Amino acid sequence: DTGVSQDPRHKITKRGQNVTFRCDPISEHNRLYWYRQTLGQGPEFLTYFQNEAQLEKSRLLSDRFSAERPKGSFSTLEIQRTEQGDSAMYLCASSARQGPSYEQYFGPGTRLTVT
Amino acid sequence: DAKTTQPNSMESNEEEPVHLPCNHSTISGTDYIHWYRQLPSQGPEYVIHGLTSNVNNRMASLAIAEDRKSSTLILHRATLRDAAVYYCILRATSGTYKYIFGTGTRLKVLA
Repeated sequence: DTGVSQDPRHKITKRGQNVTFRCDPISEHNRLYWYRQTLGQGPEFLTYFQNEAQLEKSRLLSDRFSAERPKGSFSTLEIQRTEQGDSAMYLCASSARQGPSYEQYFGPGTRLTVT
Repeated sequence: DAKTTQPNSMESNEEEPVHLPCNHSTISGTDYIHWYRQLPSQGPEYVIHGLTSNVNNRMASLAIAEDRKSSTLILHRATLRDAAVYYCILRATSGTYKYIFGTGTRLKVLA
């Protein structure tokens, strides 16, 4: 199966540490999205890439967050100086085409716990 | 972005049909209606989408009101594996096509 994969699936870190998550989209999907989901809430959009270009960032993406997608393939999301409020599920999704009728395929997520 | 309103939770008996409602009174003429579901500890999974006409696929049916201000996701025979949070999302026809999720409906299926 060549679905969206995310690594790691779980991460526990201490407040103040930096963490990095990786997302591998479905092969040849040139559109990639990051979302964050807290307990009991739906996912919230963080950022969007088309190929290697980061085209939109949510206000939720503070200066401590940075995302990259070198060469338009996998993507990384880094959180610097983690805070307890960063504890959440971080979801990655990819899409083959752009348009309102094309669905996104989500990965299983990375659950971050900041202690 | 137009918003959707869904009941927080619903229950259904196994092997019975389930009708999950969604209100979207501020929908624009070109917004698509997408439904996703999220099983425990998994990412959201695409279920179905539509614009104006009712739609059917192997997972479900989508009934869209004539004025498009509401829609209903229909699971024809609920199974225990259908227990999930179901999200109704409006998707604009421009921009990055990101999803704006609400809190969804938690469906409980009783054996």
